[in-house]
Amino acid sequence: GAGVSQSPSNKVTEKGKDVELRCDPISGHTALYWYRQSLGQGLEFLIYFQGNSAPDKSGLPSDRFSAERTGGSVSTLTIQRTQQEDSAVYLCASSLERQSSGANVLTFGAGSRLTVL
Amino acid sequence: RKEVEQDPGPFNVPEGATVAFNCTYSNSASQSFFWYRQDCRKEPKLLMSVYSSGNEDGRFTAQLNRASQYISLLIRDSKLSDSATYLCVVNMRGSYIPTFGRGTSLIVHP
Repeated sequence: GAGVSQSPSNKVTEKGKDVELRCDPISGHTALYWYRQSLGQGLEFLIYFQGNSAPDKSGLPSDRFSAERTGGSVSTLTIQRTQQEDSAVYLCASSLERQSSGANVLTFGAGSRLTVL
Repeated sequence: RKEVEQDPGPFNVPEGATVAFNCTYSNSASQSFFWYRQDCRKEPKLLMSVYSSGNEDGRFTAQLNRASQYISLLIRDSKLSDSATYLCVVNMRGSYIPTFGRGTSLIVHP
């Protein structure tokens, strides 16, 4: 597609429920990132996928969080047993394969706003 | 100490003013630097990369000071449409995971 597509754009759930957030990156972009942004806060890195390599999960805040990327394209971020502190905007970004300088320019989706009641 | 630090502001300036933001980074192995812009309730978008020799894009000038470990963004002749949060982004050498600052809020008023 023309840009990074995320769904749902808004999700309201009850504490303890599981949620799935979807990201469809730009076609041809091999790198995919998940960040989250809480109200008034900066972007917090969650997980990074690059091609067929093992993902970098170092930013996942707890074992309730997991993500997968099927076929090197679409990614799903799953949050199990949601807590109120999980409320945030979850941003997905993609970029072209890693540059020789190690610096990837990211294109973000519009985000999924999660509210846990 | 946070890896990337920015003054959150807000910077409140009149149209036509010149305004500058700084961003400091803690890791001397940092290699690549960027400024992103984020409008209210929108996603971040790349504004410009920051090169060692400094670079300019229209009214925007970005500079890097490796010795003091900071980057700067200068906006000349501010427009109302420049109102946004400006995010400083740093990549460490060998890392493909950009680290974002919390952003500096700019409000340009008539």
